[in-house]
Amino acid sequence: DTEVTQTPKHLVMGMTNKKSLKCEQHMGHRAMYWYKQKAKKPPELMFVYSYEKLSINESVPSRFSPECPNSSLLNLHLHALQPEDSALYLCASSPPLLGNYGYTFGSGTRLTVV
Amino acid sequence: GQSLEQPSEVTAVEGAIVQINCTYQTSGFYGLSWYQQHDGGAPTFLSYNALDGLEETGRFSSFLSRSDSYGYLLLQELQMKDSASYFCAVRDGLTGGGNKLTFGTGTQLKVEL
Repeated sequence: DTEVTQTPKHLVMGMTNKKSLKCEQHMGHRAMYWYKQKAKKPPELMFVYSYEKLSINESVPSRFSPECPNSSLLNLHLHALQPEDSALYLCASSPPLLGNYGYTFGSGTRLTVV
Repeated sequence: GQSLEQPSEVTAVEGAIVQINCTYQTSGFYGLSWYQQHDGGAPTFLSYNALDGLEETGRFSSFLSRSDSYGYLLLQELQMKDSASYFCAVRDGLTGGGNKLTFGTGTQLKVEL
């Protein structure tokens, strides 16, 4: 299995809702990532998990709460979001070792906050 | 701060060769990658350069000059399906197993008949 699976593909939520984005990979990758991408812009790093521990938080507002329950799963819990948080949320994974490799990205969750 | 600059748009005809440049200024550097992203799709990994020189993968080649903080992606025998956004990305941090990628501004490639 060489895929990163993200659910849901689309999500519309109100500013008072609580929702979660899910990401799953079975490639044995021990590093997982959340990125946010606005239209016509590059992906922006939000969080890095390494061996199920949060290693980087790029000063993301607390209304975004990541969780890594095990080495295959990554969640992003959303609460009290703002309309400007509407974006494509991408999950990715990678091997932990140095070498000629890249991230494997999921297809993303397109989030609309109303 | 981190800075990776690319041309915003490049247009070329089918069958041609196109070069997409990337200049970077980052606090750390552990390699330059290239990703392709079609509209509505996920970024997909194309190539990686850790050392100076040219890496070739089929129709795609990537070049790096660390002394110039510069790299490029070369696409040969362009096909319509190559129309997409292309991002360079610098691995500028290691986090005990994780790898921090910072992406460039992105280049929209349009391939015309």
